[in-house]
Amino acid sequence: GAVVSQHPSRVICKSGTSVKIECRSLDFQATTMFWYRQFPKQSLMLMATSNEGSKATYEQGVEKDKFLINHASLTLSTLTVTSAHPEDSSFYICSADARTGGTYEQYFGPGTRLTVT
Amino acid sequence: RKEVEQDPGPFNVPEGATVAFNCTYSNSASQSFFWYRQDCRKEPKLLMSVYSSGNEDGRFTAQLNRASQYISLLIRDSKLSDSATYLCVVNGGGGFKTIFGAGTRLFVKA
Repeated sequence: GAVVSQHPSRVICKSGTSVKIECRSLDFQATTMFWYRQFPKQSLMLMATSNEGSKATYEQGVEKDKFLINHASLTLSTLTVTSAHPEDSSFYICSADARTGGTYEQYFGPGTRLTVT
Repeated sequence: RKEVEQDPGPFNVPEGATVAFNCTYSNSASQSFFWYRQDCRKEPKLLMSVYSSGNEDGRFTAQLNRASQYISLLIRDSKLSDSATYLCVVNGGGGFKTIFGAGTRLFVKA
């Protein structure tokens, strides 16, 4: 099946710094990738849809100036958490649609656990 | 009303039991339906797609009822390794927005 990688898998940073998370589709091209956030014992929440070559579409309540998304190529999307605060500590997961047979299925990266101290 | 609603968990079942999860969705224009499995502190992994005719994969059977906007997952002969959170996922149609249910936790005990 389709493989999506994420880097780093775990990061600890100090409050006020910025952190960049990379999401790569390894064996397919993804014009659209998705960024999710998941707090402990809660559901995945879609943050934004990343579109190759154009601006990301952010969900309501997600600050686009704080969570910068860049989708510069068909295999790479990046999420930068700017001026991180402890409340940004979460599990960030990206996904990409891969067409298998007649339907699109979402494949997820392994996630990045961000801890802001 | 939530766009995707699932059975509240957790489900605690003995090995060998049959367990069923239900999920309802609110957008009648939804086009694609999936069940994902998520282990603790891991990313979700696709378990199976759900087709209108129903589909089976080993011990797992998924059903879709478009009229009632209802999806189900049946697990037969539960194994300890089936313990996880099961996410009902609906692709919302135009714009291909994907909505996740909150998940149902399953604990299979020896």
